Amino acid sequence: DAGVTQSPTHLIKTRGQQVTLRCSPKSGHDTVSWYQQALGQGPQFIFQYYEEEERQRGNFPDRFSGHQFPNYSSELNVNALLLGDSALYLCASSPKPYNEQFFGPGTRLTVL
Amino acid sequence: QKEVEQDPGPLSVPEGAIVSLNCTYSNSAFQYFMWYRQYSRKGPELLMYTYSSGNKEDGRFTAQVDKSSKYISLFIRDSQPSDSATYLCAIDMFSGGYNKLIFGAGTRLAVHP
Repeated sequence: DAGVTQSPTHLIKTRGQQVTLRCSPKSGHDTVSWYQQALGQGPQFIFQYYEEEERQRGNFPDRFSGHQFPNYSSELNVNALLLGDSALYLCASSPKPYNEQFFGPGTRLTVL
Repeated sequence: QKEVEQDPGPLSVPEGAIVSLNCTYSNSAFQYFMWYRQYSRKGPELLMYTYSSGNKEDGRFTAQVDKSSKYISLFIRDSQPSDSATYLCAIDMFSGGYNKLIFGAGTRLAVHP
């Protein structure tokens, strides 16, 4: 049973560019949450998707947007990248929105 | 004030030592408390999940919640070099049928042989 998978593993972008990160949830999971983990910090909640809709959102600007597809996979989009967006982006999936969340290995984004 | 505060360490102990990791939280309404372990370049993995106050034990790991002082702890007995990782405390926060995790900053632990 494959766990949560994320792609790409690493990404380097320049300021002002746009980026799309992808997540495939664990088999049987229909809820996907995204977190941002800056170096030396704990993960911070960005948003959660269930039934293809954003259900709750953390304290992140509108430059951060997402999407969930009918097969439950998800994308995180970040526009107008800033240096401060450099971080590990973690995807977590759960069987239902209120269940335990299982994390993927993350995508490390570097903004130059 | 941050919702969850955690000393980032680093903490270095010899193999076999008892390790104590701690967090404090601000909101007395929180009821679900978790400890995650994160190895370098990996995602967090759930170690312990505790509801309300009291202790929960799983092998060498014991999670403790003291709601009166808003303090959560993780104890690791007979620590091993393989326990070297960052340990994150987290609150599982529920709202309107959905949940999100609020993490502390994480404590880096190194267990040396």
